[in-house]
Amino acid sequence: DIQMTQSPSFLSASVGERVTLSCKASQNINKYLDWYQQKLGEAPKLLIYNTNNLHTGIPSRFSGSGSGTDYTLTISSLQPEDVATYFCLQRNSWYTFGAGTKLELK
Amino acid sequence: QVQLKETGPDLVQLTQTLSITCTVSGFSLTTYNVHWVRQPPGKGLEWMGAMWNGGGTDYNSAFKSRLSISRDTSKSQVFLKMNSLQTDDTAKYFCARHVAYTTDPFDYWGQGVMVTVSS
Repeated sequence: DIQMTQSPSFLSASVGERVTLSCKASQNINKYLDWYQQKLGEAPKLLIYNTNNLHTGIPSRFSGSGSGTDYTLTISSLQPEDVATYFCLQRNSWYTFGAGTKLELK
Repeated sequence: QVQLKETGPDLVQLTQTLSITCTVSGFSLTTYNVHWVRQPPGKGLEWMGAMWNGGGTDYNSAFKSRLSISRDTSKSQVFLKMNSLQTDDTAKYFCARHVAYTTDPFDYWGQGVMVTVSS
């Protein structure tokens, strides 16, 4: 089974700051990596799919990159509404989620 | 308008069976796959299994033979049944869709149903 390791588990950042979240797979996942945002009590919301494709309606401050086993979600200028937990999901071999990064405002 | 809505019990007794229905609208179950994902309180997400557009199913081996997924296409419903519930099955259960035969992601999710397993 493919394991997904997200880091950091918790991140505190200021409005306007550039934020980078990481997800590492236990083996090559061929860019089948998605990022989701989940706010308290809500369903996950798709942000980025297949590493670097921005989902419809998602602000351009969100971007994704990576290859092989290492993937990154970047928020170019953090906004208050970005406070949430972010999960990655690999779809290369079945489906495995990362444990999440909780992002809060400093 | 695409919608998925999970309905099920709030509370299930230890060792009993959980039944949840995912009712979809705005798309066809013969074009989209529907997945089940759960999230224990304060924890991460876990893929449970899938109902494929052709009617086949696959399951996360972690659930062994406890889990069953079925559907009624005439009612646009997908069903989850899991037996021998334990307290660590307490979780929010979500259904989500993705386009069959593509590399597209899970793009729409239901709001989830919170199920507590009580002794």
